[in-house]
Amino acid sequence: GQQVKQSSPSLTVQEGGISILNCDYENDMFDYFAWYKKYPDNSPTLLISVRSNVDKREDGRLTVFLNKSGKHFSLHITASQPEDTAVYLCAAGARGQQGTGSKLSFGKGAKLTVSP
Amino acid sequence: EAAVTQSPRSKVAVTGGKVTLSCHQTNNHDYMYWYRQDTGHGLRLIHYSYVADSTEKGDIPDGYKASRPSQENFSLILELASLSQTAVYFCASSYWGQDTQYFGPGTRLLVL
Repeated sequence: GQQVKQSSPSLTVQEGGISILNCDYENDMFDYFAWYKKYPDNSPTLLISVRSNVDKREDGRLTVFLNKSGKHFSLHITASQPEDTAVYLCAAGARGQQGTGSKLSFGKGAKLTVSP
Repeated sequence: EAAVTQSPRSKVAVTGGKVTLSCHQTNNHDYMYWYRQDTGHGLRLIHYSYVADSTEKGDIPDGYKASRPSQENFSLILELASLSQTAVYFCASSYWGQDTQYFGPGTRLLVL
């Protein structure tokens, strides 16, 4: 089954508003959580990520909130701009043995549209 | 300057034919990955590799083989292409011990 779920496939927000994207996961071993942004016909690029030892991380207009007990994490984009219009993919993974990088599981993606 | 490149960028293949998708990275990364993207499924991991001459199965390896002849190159091989393998394929790479993955531009494969 799908280990990472994005329940809302699309979201429309007015320019200047707050965009909130949500992701749920199943695997208790996941300790790395990330959001990727993807424009049509382009490759995904990392926006922001967080490890499980923190429950919040801010980077400019972006904030990731992590709720480990609820197996949920979210991305908040403040002062949303039309250029934020894209597909947002959440991803989660568990660090492998010997400190190796995480093998990621991705959600299906959610299309954010910011209208002027 | 693109650090992860894929070739071809698009391909039309016939059912039952052999398809090879290539990925090249100049990041000096240890890990490389192959994903497929389908409408309604997001990105799904097919195969990955953490060192040359070794590959690992991902979440959906059936019908695919992978080859990592060098640190820089990682290929995905469809020995007998099927209609269900029509998708966009992304290659990615990452450093050992780090989680950020850097993606290539994708290859659009249409199997007829």
